[in-house]
Amino acid sequence: NAGVTQTPKFQVLKTGQSMTLQCAQDMNHNSMYWYRQDPGMGLRLIYYSASEGTTDKGEVPNGYNVSRLNKREFSLRLESAAPSQTSVYFCASSENSPHQPQHFGDGTRLSIL
Amino acid sequence: QKEVEQNSGPLSVPEGAIASLNCTYSDRGSQSFFWYRQYSGKSPELIMFIYSNGDKEDGRFTAQLNKASQYVSLLIRDSQPSDSATYLCAVNQGGKLIFGQGTELSVKP
Repeated sequence: NAGVTQTPKFQVLKTGQSMTLQCAQDMNHNSMYWYRQDPGMGLRLIYYSASEGTTDKGEVPNGYNVSRLNKREFSLRLESAAPSQTSVYFCASSENSPHQPQHFGDGTRLSIL
Repeated sequence: QKEVEQNSGPLSVPEGAIASLNCTYSDRGSQSFFWYRQYSGKSPELIMFIYSNGDKEDGRFTAQLNKASQYVSLLIRDSQPSDSATYLCAVNQGGKLIFGQGTELSVKP
């Protein structure tokens, strides 16, 4: 059982480039989340999907888009990367609502030059 | 005022001692509370969750919740060097999980 799988694990981009971070979970969870973690800032919610077919903005959605492809997969897209988006990105899932524990992937370390 | 606040530390305790980690939150309507452990360069790992006032114990870990004081804490008994990590408090507020900035714990042999 892999849990939550994120790809890629590391990525370096140039300013203005685009890319998609992939996330898949095999726990049959309904809810999925994307966070970013910056030094001294804790984890901040970018977007979440309470169930298949729905997505909602979190605390810091600007510059990002998401797609809930199916129940298993939730992708995060940077359309035009900026140095301020250099961060560690974590995907998480929970059985249903945020009242239930979330399980995290290993993260994607993204650097934008 | 930050929504979920933790002392950033570092908190240093000797091996075998009790480590006490504290967290305050701003939303009185919050109903679920979580503690995650994060080793350097790794992802957050769930340790405990608590929904009701009082104490909840799991092995060496005890979570304590006081909704009237808007306060949640994590006690680690018989601390081990392997407990050295950053501990993240997370609170469900408005349907979203809000994290504190984390407390770095160092357990000295």
